[in-house]
Amino acid sequence: GDSVTQMEGPVTLSEEAFLTINCTYTATGYPSLFWYVQYPGEGLQLLLKATKADDKGSNKGFEATYRKETTSFHLEKGSVQVSDSAVYFCALSDPGGGSNYKLTFGKGTLLTVNP
Amino acid sequence: EPEVTQTPSHQVTQMGQEVILRCVPISNHLYFYWYRQILGQKVEFLVSFYNNEISEKSEIFDDQFSVERPDGSNFTLKIRSTKLEDSAMYFCASSVDRGQYNEQFFGPGTRLTVL
Repeated sequence: GDSVTQMEGPVTLSEEAFLTINCTYTATGYPSLFWYVQYPGEGLQLLLKATKADDKGSNKGFEATYRKETTSFHLEKGSVQVSDSAVYFCALSDPGGGSNYKLTFGKGTLLTVNP
Repeated sequence: EPEVTQTPSHQVTQMGQEVILRCVPISNHLYFYWYRQILGQKVEFLVSFYNNEISEKSEIFDDQFSVERPDGSNFTLKIRSTKLEDSAMYFCASSVDRGQYNEQFFGPGTRLTVL
């Protein structure tokens, strides 16, 4: 079945540091890939997505590139801010295997950015 | 901005009791979902719902679980006889349409604690 593996947290960075959160996946079909973010006390929000190989999703300074050859979708940001402190979830939606497009998530990575 | 809401934010119950978790999806959305996250584990899909019937469910969603859209706005998850292992954060989500490109909007979650 489908699965998503993302780097274990927590990740603690200083403001303006470079961020990478690794995410790899296995899928039956040709999935779409997503990063969701959860700020304290709030629901999961879509941060960015990519629907085909070599697509780059970007939003709020975050980027991730769909790498089919390495089955990866790593999240990066060049300069993090305190307000980026949140839990980040990598996820996929796979039309293969008869799925009704449910999301398959990784465990989430807690990011804390210190001033 | 429209959002998915969930009540209560935290529910404590005794093992064997019935609980109902409530969600109000975004008003023009047609597809509804429940996910859960046991502490320290992945966010897992439970069930999707469209046109007043279940369109897909996971192995977790056994006979103890049921979903209902009792009126035009609410979407509920009922656990008939709770077990200790049902303790988790439960997320409701909704989407305008289905499809692997379609964004699911999540609520803030209900933390269920079974004693």
